[in-house]
Amino acid sequence: GEDVEQSLFLSVREGDSSVINCTYTDSSSTYLYWYKQEPGAGLQLLTYIFSNMDMKQDQRLTVLLNKKDKHLSLRIADTQTGDSAIYFCAEKGTGGYNKLIFGAGTRLAVHP
Amino acid sequence: NAGVTQTPKFQVLKTGQSMTLQCAQDMNHNSMYWYRQDPGMGLRLIYYSASEGTTDKGEVPNGYNVSRLNKREFSLRLESAAPSQTSVYFCASSEGDWLVRESYGYTFGSGTRLTVV
Repeated sequence: GEDVEQSLFLSVREGDSSVINCTYTDSSSTYLYWYKQEPGAGLQLLTYIFSNMDMKQDQRLTVLLNKKDKHLSLRIADTQTGDSAIYFCAEKGTGGYNKLIFGAGTRLAVHP
Repeated sequence: NAGVTQTPKFQVLKTGQSMTLQCAQDMNHNSMYWYRQDPGMGLRLIYYSASEGTTDKGEVPNGYNVSRLNKREFSLRLESAAPSQTSVYFCASSEGDWLVRESYGYTFGSGTRLTVV
């Protein structure tokens, strides 16, 4: 079945890079996503990557996809306190509609 | 601003009471979804509506019903609330046609925090 796994917590020092990892099971996934949830808010789409890409860079964000190992990572360069949030990995599941399977979320804590 | 609007933002219910969570989107999206979020478990799909006039069960549908009132609105009803339904509920919408703008993913509402005592 479809499953997405993430570690639950990550703590980094302000200014360092953060790397959030995710593994997924559905090899037919066409798109993989990273969402950000700030306290008390809904989820916001942060970035996405198409399955035929290995890497995507968007300002401070770098997404790496290892399709062979079904491993997705999100790197945040120069992490700031405003990056403190829960980050969700999601894959598009199989089926004829746009069903997303979410991981449990990684809580990123940024400290001085 | 365009987006997904959920009401209410907070609600406390007694066990056995009923209530309806409302969701509306103004992006002309075809598909709408209801998720619940519990600590350490991420988001779990309760029900979804791939298009107006259709609804289907997700991962955790027991204890819930839904209505896709029109293209804009998708409501979630708890007929007899139980403490296990204490959670944060999110509504989301998407284009739905996965051949078009599939990469845009979902747009989420800000959530309803429900406590059942």
